[in-house]
Amino acid sequence: DAGVIQSPRHEVTEMGQEVTLRCKPISGHNSLFWYRQTMMRGLELLIYFNNNVPIDDSGMPEDRFSAKMPNASFSTLKIQPSEPRDSAVYFCASSFGTGTGELFFGEGSRLTVL
Amino acid sequence: DQQVKQNSPSLSVQEGRISILNCDYTNSMFDYFLWYKKYPAEGPTFLISISSIKDKNEDGRFTVFLNKSAKHLSLHIVPSQPGDSAVYFCAASDGRTGNQFYFGTGTSLTVIP
Repeated sequence: DAGVIQSPRHEVTEMGQEVTLRCKPISGHNSLFWYRQTMMRGLELLIYFNNNVPIDDSGMPEDRFSAKMPNASFSTLKIQPSEPRDSAVYFCASSFGTGTGELFFGEGSRLTVL
Repeated sequence: DQQVKQNSPSLSVQEGRISILNCDYTNSMFDYFLWYKKYPAEGPTFLISISSIKDKNEDGRFTVFLNKSAKHLSLHIVPSQPGDSAVYFCAASDGRTGNQFYFGTGTSLTVIP
């Protein structure tokens, strides 16, 4: 079975541009998470969905960030407008369970905002 | 505020010796803990977990110890191998409130041949 699939793997854009990161979770998993990895904060939870419904978006840094999960097999994380401080690796992860389910991560999307 | 802390950004160990990675947490409601391993340009992968009803869980060369009173857990790797060189993340969750996992900042382990 394919793991969590993220695209693009790398994105270089200019400040002010819109960025859309995509994620396909593992089939059958009912929870999806977006994390951002930085040196200072490690893996920082941005938002998570349970059964396609956003449960906690308190980690979303600003209104410039938004996430959607229109169905069980697809999610997007959008940054509009992007800023240089948004440069990081963004991971999507999925799981099945209620707090004791293992998280399965994608390979990440490395975003560079110039 | 960081609820899970890994205070050692890096660790170097000789091959064959023991590697001990530490993790502290602040939320006493956390009841499930995991360690993830991450190689460069890859996503983190699950390594080992422990429930709060236990104080030790062992899987081959990897053992996780949990000290609930100190809100501290550690990962022991014995013997350490060069292939263990990676970044290790500690994570915690409160299963009663959902499946939200909080991660530490990671410890970069280098095993020297």
